[in-house]
Amino acid sequence: QVQVVESGGGVVQPGRSLRLSCTVSRVTLRPEGIHWVRQAPGKGLEWVAIISYDGRHRYYADSVKGRFTISRDTPKNVLFLHMNTLRTEDTAVYYCATSSGDFASAPSRGFFNDIDVWGNGTTVTVSS
Amino acid sequence: DVQMTQSPSSLSASVGDRVTITCRASQDIRNDLGWYQQKPGKAPKRLIYAASSLQSGVPSRFSGSGSGTEFTLTIGSLQPEDFATYFCLQHNTYPLTFGGGTRLEIK
Repeated sequence: QVQVVESGGGVVQPGRSLRLSCTVSRVTLRPEGIHWVRQAPGKGLEWVAIISYDGRHRYYADSVKGRFTISRDTPKNVLFLHMNTLRTEDTAVYYCATSSGDFASAPSRGFFNDIDVWGNGTTVTVSS
Repeated sequence: DVQMTQSPSSLSASVGDRVTITCRASQDIRNDLGWYQQKPGKAPKRLIYAASSLQSGVPSRFSGSGSGTEFTLTIGSLQPEDFATYFCLQHNTYPLTFGGGTRLEIK
């Protein structure tokens, strides 16, 4: 059984910053990557970023590269998404989600960077 | 980026019907694909992983097939709780990309 809970959303003006948090609770801890995915109002899903179990490996969508930073405090099972220079098009529900393992130790491309369990999301609104 | 083309974008069907949803990838993604169900205001739930493996706890009326560039999700006999939006996700190549979604409605 695993629970994923996001927090930190809110209303923010364009150009400002916001930090989202995600807590992953699991009966048996395991090494896994963690994703952020977002969904703009009435739109489809957009992958945002992923971080490896040890936090050393990170990948980002081009739309957020240079503005967003994913990080984690693995001993505390907490993940963060630091969002800077926010734009109106960043308005969305932001989901945190687990992978089935740690892609940094994967035997090949595509392994362990799947998206398994999702949180319920936190809403970010960027508006003046 | 790998483009995931999902069809149809919407579908009307009746309880008991068999339905099929397709995702086509713009390049070979092996079997690095998952299928998800999302209901309004809820988080997505994975149904299928590795293109054809049933997620634990998911009813057996859901099945997935395909590899390479062509993938299908089939619901064998629609139940009332199956009316939702479905989408695919490729995780072979960064950035990960989703299909545009299929909204399954009651006829």
